[in-house]
This record gives sequence, C-alpha cells and structure tokens, in this order.
Amino acid sequence: AQRVTQPEKLLSVFKGAPVELKCNYSYSGSPELFWYVQYSRQRLQLLLRHISRESIKGFTADLNKGETSFHLKKPFAQEEDSAMYYCALRGEYGNKLVFGAGTILRVKS
Amino acid sequence: DTGVSQNPRHKITKRGQNVTFRCDPISEHNRLYWYRQTLGQGPEFLTYFQNEAQLEKSRLLSDRFSAERPKGSFSTLEIQRTEQGDSAMYLCASSSMSGTDFYEQYFGPGTRLTVT
Repeated sequence: AQRVTQPEKLLSVFKGAPVELKCNYSYSGSPELFWYVQYSRQRLQLLLRHISRESIKGFTADLNKGETSFHLKKPFAQEEDSAMYYCALRGEYGNKLVFGAGTILRVKS
Repeated sequence: DTGVSQNPRHKITKRGQNVTFRCDPISEHNRLYWYRQTLGQGPEFLTYFQNEAQLEKSRLLSDRFSAERPKGSFSTLEIQRTEQGDSAMYLCASSSMSGTDFYEQYFGPGTRLTVT
C-alpha cells in the first residue's frame, strides 16, 4: 500500500531559524516524491519534486530510500513561508498522488 | 486566468439531494483528476481521466458518485443522494503528457460541499 506520513500537524519557528518538515513514505517500488504548498486563500501548487533535485524558494528535499523519507528543509525561514505543506507520492505505474495529512508552517517575526 | 477552474466554488445542499460539480482543465491537458479533501486531511484520490476515458477509480468512489468527461475537455462529478459524510472540498487537477511539466498536476481552487 502507498502511504505518506507527516508526523507534525503544526511547526512554528522564528524568522531566520532553520526549518525541517518531515515526510515518511511507504511504497515497495520506486516512487516519485513531491512537496505541494498551499498559501492562505490560494490553490494547491507544486513546490518541488525529487527528480528535479532543485532548490525552490530556498527549500530543498532529498529522497532517502533507506529511511523512506523526503524531508523538506530551508536554512533560514521567512514570514512568507507560512503555509500548509503537503508531501505526496506517485507510484511508478500510477498517476494518482497519495498525500500526507499536511503540516502547517508558521513563521513568527 | 488560464488555470484549472471549478464551479461552483461553494455548494450547500440538504441530505438526499443530488449535486453536480464542474471542472475545466488547462486547455492542452489531457489528464484530469478528482480528489476529495476533508478537514485535517490531505487530498484523497477519487478518479482520473485520460482524454474521455476514465482509467482509474478509487474505492472511495461509491455507487452514488459518478464522473464524466464526455469530450475530453471539461469534467463533471455528480453525487446522488448526498449524505453528511460527503461534506468536503472537492479538488480537480489536470496534467499534460508532454512538455517540461510532464505529469505535473495543476490544481483548481476546489468546490466546498456542505451537506446539511
């Protein structure tokens, strides 16, 4: 079964502090992992995907197949990073996305 | 706005009534997806279409739910005999099978359904 777990419902940090949003997955094959973000009153949008291996808005995420994790990191949080973040998985033969429950990131000034 | 659009944005209905939602994907996208999101949860997959063919349906999609994409463009999701448990945000997404954003799913704003 495909499953994505985001253990934290809320992560609150001060501006300038490092951020790590945790994501663990369960999948027997070779998944594709994504982070989606939803800012207040906006639609869900793709932040980054593991195969592109790029940094978006200062965020990076590395797929660790041994630990089945895809944690999202940013060295210095900014207030505009405050949003809901969802980790998602797509199986190698499927097209649907399996989402975690999401983590609210609050960056305090 | 050339993104995915959904109508209506909000729907309040009484238990037992039928409701229909519409999704207009990005024009060149041939894949269309429906998800449902309840409070405190991430989106859950319901079904998806490639052009007009419905290729996968989730077990979440009971017999009261039906989705169509008759001409491979817009899609409708109908819920018959609504129940309070159907109250949720219904999200639509579309994706392309070519180009640099191959398979990236673009989401609409959602339709929020409240069943009273």
